[in-house]
Amino acid sequence: GQQVMQIPQYQHVQEGEDFTTYCNSSTTLSNIQWYKQRPGGHPVFLIQLVKSGEVKKQKRLTFQFGEAKKNSSLHITATQTTDVGTYFCAGLYYGGSQGNLIFGKGTKLSVKP
Amino acid sequence: KAGVTQTPRYLIKTRGQQVTLSCSPISGHRSVSWYQQTPGQGLQFLFEYFSETQRNKGNFPGRFSGRQFSNSRSEMNVSTLELGDSALYLCASSSQLGQNTGELFFGEGSRLTVL
Repeated sequence: GQQVMQIPQYQHVQEGEDFTTYCNSSTTLSNIQWYKQRPGGHPVFLIQLVKSGEVKKQKRLTFQFGEAKKNSSLHITATQTTDVGTYFCAGLYYGGSQGNLIFGKGTKLSVKP
Repeated sequence: KAGVTQTPRYLIKTRGQQVTLSCSPISGHRSVSWYQQTPGQGLQFLFEYFSETQRNKGNFPGRFSGRQFSNSRSEMNVSTLELGDSALYLCASSSQLGQNTGELFFGEGSRLTVL
């Protein structure tokens, strides 16, 4: 079946360092969503990218969607302790008329103050 | 606007038993999806309901079933529980059909432990 590969699985950074997580799909995605799950919490929607080559920014977070719509990245500049959590990408595939949202396994970010 | 509500939040069962989990979506949302979250496997899609009809189903055995009521509330049932069913079960509602471009709003989850 369809898979979305997400790397790295874990990332430990010092506060103030940058962080990037990557998602890759073997097939073209209709769109990609990003979610953040704080420890002990539930996933919360961050953003959705739809267009080829799209770049969106939310304060210190930069999201990119590849030209081929097969990969995406989330970059956090100057991490803070509030950035701690697991970041998931979710790629939307269409099989016929039915959409399937496939989640990556997530990147768990820890930030050392 | 109230968020997605899941009950119970925590439960402990023994192997062979069955369990029913409940999810009330955000008011006005007609699409409800269920996910199983485990440390090793991440978020795995179980099924999606829209207007009381199952629209999509993940790759889980028949022991996992669900339904949706006319008020959009949804339940999922797991029969003949196995140790491997221990997980956080997340419900998500969406205002759009078929996991189309709309964002998912997740509930807090029901944490199931099977002994």
